[in-house]
Amino acid sequence: DTGVSQNPRHKITKRGQNVTFRCDPISEHNRLYWYRQTLGQGPEFLTYFQNEAQLEKSRLLSDRFSAERPKGSFSTLEIQRTEQGDSAMYLCASSFNPDTQYFGPGTRLTVL
Amino acid sequence: AQKITQTQPGMFVQEKEAVTLDCTYDTSDQSYGLFWYKQPSSGEMIFLIYQGSYDEQNATEGRYSLNFQKARKSANLVISASQLGDSAMYFCAMREDYTSGTYKYIFGTGTRLKVLA
Repeated sequence: DTGVSQNPRHKITKRGQNVTFRCDPISEHNRLYWYRQTLGQGPEFLTYFQNEAQLEKSRLLSDRFSAERPKGSFSTLEIQRTEQGDSAMYLCASSFNPDTQYFGPGTRLTVL
Repeated sequence: AQKITQTQPGMFVQEKEAVTLDCTYDTSDQSYGLFWYKQPSSGEMIFLIYQGSYDEQNATEGRYSLNFQKARKSANLVISASQLGDSAMYFCAMREDYTSGTYKYIFGTGTRLKVLA
């Protein structure tokens, strides 16, 4: 399968714990995006990488959130000191140009 | 502020008929892109169609077409010959293009389409 992959698919954690998600984009895609989607809403943009450079960050990305793409390939999204409000689906997408994004299956986070 | 509005929370259509899903957008930018995505119950977002702000022709992709009316700031999705597999959530999205060369995307709240047999 050569699509975007995300791990884990589901994560249940207790409030206050740290979690890390991984996204592996389509191999030739230099752009990578993170979104958050809550129930009944559309995806909300969090951040965007071109190669290893993080070019845009949403104000939604508080100090507890950090994203990296160290070698311009896979990316990680870490949430520190999780809160119940962080419960959501975290989507990753990648693209070769700005006109088309390919999304992964998402990581569903539940904070108890 | 840039915004995407989808006013139809839910729509029904009979199988084999055409359906239009509405989308309006608000931006002061000259350069932007408009997208439609499908999200089935499995949760994965599937790209359907793209329209650039400078494209003069309406975009078409198979049974999908985007009715782009720039002056009205609308980008409606038309699905022709609906199939049962078209039942899903549909999201309209806009890409804001910054002069720095970067961009970000804004999504609407979605329209849930149900195709009836």
